[in-house]
Amino acid sequence: GAVVSQHPSWVICKSGTSVKIECRSLDFQATTMFWYRQFPKQSLMLMATSNEGSKATYEQGVEKDKFLINHASLTLSTLTVTSAHPEDSSFYICSASAGNADTQYFGPGTRLTVL
Amino acid sequence: AQSVTQPDIHITVSEGASLELRCNYSYGATPYLFWYVQSPGQGLQLLLKYFSGDTLVQGIKGFEAEFKRSQSSFNLRKPSVHWSDAAEYFCAVGGKGAQKLVFGQGTRLTINP
Repeated sequence: GAVVSQHPSWVICKSGTSVKIECRSLDFQATTMFWYRQFPKQSLMLMATSNEGSKATYEQGVEKDKFLINHASLTLSTLTVTSAHPEDSSFYICSASAGNADTQYFGPGTRLTVL
Repeated sequence: AQSVTQPDIHITVSEGASLELRCNYSYGATPYLFWYVQSPGQGLQLLLKYFSGDTLVQGIKGFEAEFKRSQSSFNLRKPSVHWSDAAEYFCAVGGKGAQKLVFGQGTRLTINP
């Protein structure tokens, strides 16, 4: 149980284009989803928290107009990197938690490379 | 401020040897503590968690961790490591209700044959 998937697992795009990453909870309803960013050999940094049906809460320093988050259903959240640039290249990981649960379950991550 | 410190960036142990990974935290309320493991290019897998109760918690893959409030520590242990345990290990702290997690910098574990 508590499986989270991400799609795609990796993506390469040209500078200036937008990329959408999907995060799905496969066997539970995720009332809250989190998006993290991880640079090579570094820890995870929380970007934003999203609750189903409401606007995401972004961490300080994260541009909400650049990283668009949509949590339209209890099993799906999307992160869209708009007008991507090489400095946006990173490993993006989502996590999800259910209802009043206290544990986050993580997806396998998406590696974004912007040329 | 909330923070997690993992003092050891890289640890190397021999297969079959015991292991202890250190984690110290700073948190203003009752901490919810987690250990996650990450293989290269993969997401995070939950090893174990502590919310309350018995301060020695058992996890998957033979791992255990002990919560010591007086030392603000939550060290991860395994009596005998296997080559497949080679990975990056992250300690994290959060609050009740799956609030946002603060992660440590991670400890990379290498296993010598």
